[in-house]
Amino acid sequence: DADVTQTPRNRITKTGKRIMLECSQTKGHDRMYWYRQDPGLGLQLIYYSFDVKDINKGEISDGYSVSRQAQAKFSLSLESAIPNQTALYFCATSDLADPEDTQYFGPGTRLTVL
Amino acid sequence: AQKVTQAQTEISVVEKEDVTLDCVYETRDTTYYLFWYKQPPSGELVFLIRRNSFDEQNEISGRYSWNFQKSTSSFNFTITASQVVDSAVYFCALSESNTGFQKLVFGTGTRLLVSP
Repeated sequence: DADVTQTPRNRITKTGKRIMLECSQTKGHDRMYWYRQDPGLGLQLIYYSFDVKDINKGEISDGYSVSRQAQAKFSLSLESAIPNQTALYFCATSDLADPEDTQYFGPGTRLTVL
Repeated sequence: AQKVTQAQTEISVVEKEDVTLDCVYETRDTTYYLFWYKQPPSGELVFLIRRNSFDEQNEISGRYSWNFQKSTSSFNFTITASQVVDSAVYFCALSESNTGFQKLVFGTGTRLLVSP
């Protein structure tokens, strides 16, 4: 089984709809991240969380919100989706105890907003 | 500000050719980390390597090798005897250590196409 899972893997929605992307991990890591990837671009950080009570905005947090329901779960919400939020979304985790703090990524969620 | 440049948008090679993917970075920090990730057609991101700024030794792992040169701010990635399975988008990334975690800044990626 994958260590970092994302649901759904693909989603098509309409402008104005609320949508939630979910991320779960079995790695026991305390740090979790949400990124978006646009075609031809690298990944940009949306939000990150060091633990359940610590949530921080990344480079492009406008239009997004997150919830860290448990150490293993980190959800990303689009309250009112718009077409320019069409992208590939990645969740990642890392371990505070890892001196290299390597980030491990989930398989991605492809979101299309019509 | 940190920046990572991967000037090669797409590279096409024939199987068994060697190929080098370029990565140039900018940072004001003296302590930083450099990464390479692979994104195969299936879409997931696979961690390949991490280097810190104090370790300029080249790294070899099977057919993969990495050349880190601080003098030119480059961290290039070479695949020897390329195979079709190497076809993917490869991302170089940079992080600084003073943010308390590895806040990654990614390049725009290089798409590698290896044909039989």
